[in-house]
Amino acid sequence: QSALTQPRSVSGSPGQSVTISCTGTSSDIGAYNFVSWYQQHPGKAPKVMIYDVNKRPSGVPDRFSGSKSGNTASLTISGLRAEDEADYYCCSYAGTHDVFGTGTEVTVL
Amino acid sequence: QVHLVQSGAEVKKPGASVRVSCKTSGYTFTVHHVHWVRQAPGQGLEWMGWIDPSNGDRNSAQNFRDRVTMTTDTSMSTAYMELSRLRSDDTAVYYCARAGGMVLLDCWGQGTLVTVSS
Repeated sequence: QSALTQPRSVSGSPGQSVTISCTGTSSDIGAYNFVSWYQQHPGKAPKVMIYDVNKRPSGVPDRFSGSKSGNTASLTISGLRAEDEADYYCCSYAGTHDVFGTGTEVTVL
Repeated sequence: QVHLVQSGAEVKKPGASVRVSCKTSGYTFTVHHVHWVRQAPGQGLEWMGWIDPSNGDRNSAQNFRDRVTMTTDTSMSTAYMELSRLRSDDTAVYYCARAGGMVLLDCWGQGTLVTVSS
């Protein structure tokens, strides 16, 4: 039950777009459309930003979008803002269990 | 408004067990699975398992299968996670979370720090 692979860090200037990849296998991301993304600020509990690959819970800005191609899911943050600086984790259903990604630190320059 | 409130920080010795509680409110407890997720200091999120409060069905990650026990008390709308045979690398913040759907953890507890040290 290996963690999904994410880049360690990404960065962008305010107003720019950044994309975080999340690579799994044909047994998790590739097999199901059950991928979610979580934002976590230091010392806080995670918050869901995207679920079912590309759906946004109410209250999440439409600057956040999700997609999937094959065994890789992606989270794009458009119009980057200072408050988007946080850690982001993907999560996928894998048939018998759930699995999180390794996490990506987003820095707003 | 949905709330999940967890029990306070714990310090345990290696080999001991710890039980973390997660008291829920603001929704019908038996409708949603409760998941447990942990985060070691400076590390990422690790999924531990879930329990269905309506019937007690549960599933846990392979890494914890022989050490974790998840239970619920429906009269108290509370979920519990007990981890046994603690090791130093079990030191982490443990979170409970409500599942609104598949891998949709839509409301989280505040986290409980468990420190394992001799």
